[in-house]
Amino acid sequence: DAGVIQSPRHEVTEMGQEVTLRCKPISGHDYLFWYRQTMMRGLELLIYFNNNVPIDDSGMPEDRFSAKMPNASFSTLKIQPSEPRDSAVYFCASSPYWTGLGNSPLHFGNGTRLTVT
Amino acid sequence: DAKTTQPNSMESNEEEPVHLPCNHSTISGTDYIHWYRQLPSQGPEYVIHGLTSNVNNRMASLAIAEDRKSSTLILHRATLRDAAVYYCILRAYSGAGSYQLTFGKGTKLSVIP
Repeated sequence: DAGVIQSPRHEVTEMGQEVTLRCKPISGHDYLFWYRQTMMRGLELLIYFNNNVPIDDSGMPEDRFSAKMPNASFSTLKIQPSEPRDSAVYFCASSPYWTGLGNSPLHFGNGTRLTVT
Repeated sequence: DAKTTQPNSMESNEEEPVHLPCNHSTISGTDYIHWYRQLPSQGPEYVIHGLTSNVNNRMASLAIAEDRKSSTLILHRATLRDAAVYYCILRAYSGAGSYQLTFGKGTKLSVIP
C-alpha cells in the first residue's frame, strides 16, 4: 500500500495567487481529513469528508479556502487568493471505519509545505 | 471538547524503556485514546489506540488507568528513531455522527545515544 499521497511536497507562491493542494487517500478508506500545521497553532483540522461528502468544515479559516472530493480517490484543497499567513504545512489523512469512527486510526500523508510570499 | 495534557518534553537513554504520560480528566465514555507521533519533516504516524483495556502492538503498549482519566504510552526499548513529537489525542464524538481528532502540543521525546 502506497499510503496517503500528497502533491506537491513544496509550493512557493506569491500573495494573491491561487494554490491547489492534492491528496490521494488510501484505497478503501471512507474518511478523508485536511489538517494544517503551524508553529503557533499546531495541527488544526480544517475539514473532513465521509464517502466524498463534506461532514464538518468548521475549521476552514475563511471563504478563501475550499475543499472538494470529486471521487473516492482524490481530494483538493484550494486557497484563492493566497496570503502570507496561509504559509504552513498542509496534511491530508484518511481513515477506515472499524466498528465506529472513534475506533479507527488516521493515516497521514507527508504534507505539502506552502510558502506564500 | 475533551482535552489532553502532556509534558512538553522528555528525555530517554537509548535502549531503555520510555513512559510517556497523558492526562485526560474530562474524557467521556465514548472517547477513544489515540497516540500518534511525528518525526521531523513527516506527517503524524499512528502508534496505538484503546478504549478501556491496555493494548499492545509491535510499536508500543498503551496503559489506560481504570478511571480512564490518564494513560501512558510505553516504548519498551527506545531507539534513536523514536525521537519525535508524541501526541495523545481523544477521538471525541462531536455530534451528528462526526468524530473529531484534535491535536494538542504533544511531548517532544529526545533519545540520548
